[in-house]
Amino acid sequence: KNEVEQSPQNLTAQEGEFITINCSYSVGISALHWLQQHPGGGIVSLFMLSSGKKKHGRLIATINIQEKHSSLHITASHPRDSAVYICAVRSLSGSRLTFGEGTQLTVNP
Amino acid sequence: ETGVTQTPRHLVMGMTNKKSLKCEQHLGHNAMYWYKQSAKKPLELMFVYNFKEQTENNSVPSRFSPECPNSSHLFLHLHTLQPEDSALYLCASSQEVRWGRQNTEAFFGQGTRLTVV
Repeated sequence: KNEVEQSPQNLTAQEGEFITINCSYSVGISALHWLQQHPGGGIVSLFMLSSGKKKHGRLIATINIQEKHSSLHITASHPRDSAVYICAVRSLSGSRLTFGEGTQLTVNP
Repeated sequence: ETGVTQTPRHLVMGMTNKKSLKCEQHLGHNAMYWYKQSAKKPLELMFVYNFKEQTENNSVPSRFSPECPNSSHLFLHLHTLQPEDSALYLCASSQEVRWGRQNTEAFFGQGTRLTVV
């Protein structure tokens, strides 16, 4: 069992739908990251969280440290949001970064 | 465009070939990384360099040989690879090593899609 579990593995939505991707982890962490990987392969960082909630445009990321859980929400989804979304956690000591397997999101027009 | 450039984007090589992957960043970052991404698997850290010195080797087979001649360039030399080494190889850089701490963000290249035949 991975230390970082994402759900769902695959998600298909219609344009305009509200989307939620979940990340659960089993270790103490100092920070959690949400990353986006487009079909071309490149990865960009969306959020880094250690508590609470962050918002950037149509993207919202939340984290519940007690429950060891984070969610990434996309409001008014668009086909250009189609990508793999990856959750990663930095260990408390800071020595290790562990990645989830990713969630493949497809938004159809 | 993230400021991290990888070449080539695609590479097909035989098991007896020798090839090299190149990564270049002009962001002024001090740390550079090689990651491997196999199908349906999480990203795996391979090597970390900080100020040109290797600080982590994540039990990577010796058929992968990294080289960091300066803080802006990172190479991954490949020889006698196996078909299971086929994957996307991603380079990243960050201002400080162990990105994700203290607001340190990593910037990734587009990756090299490697196929070993």
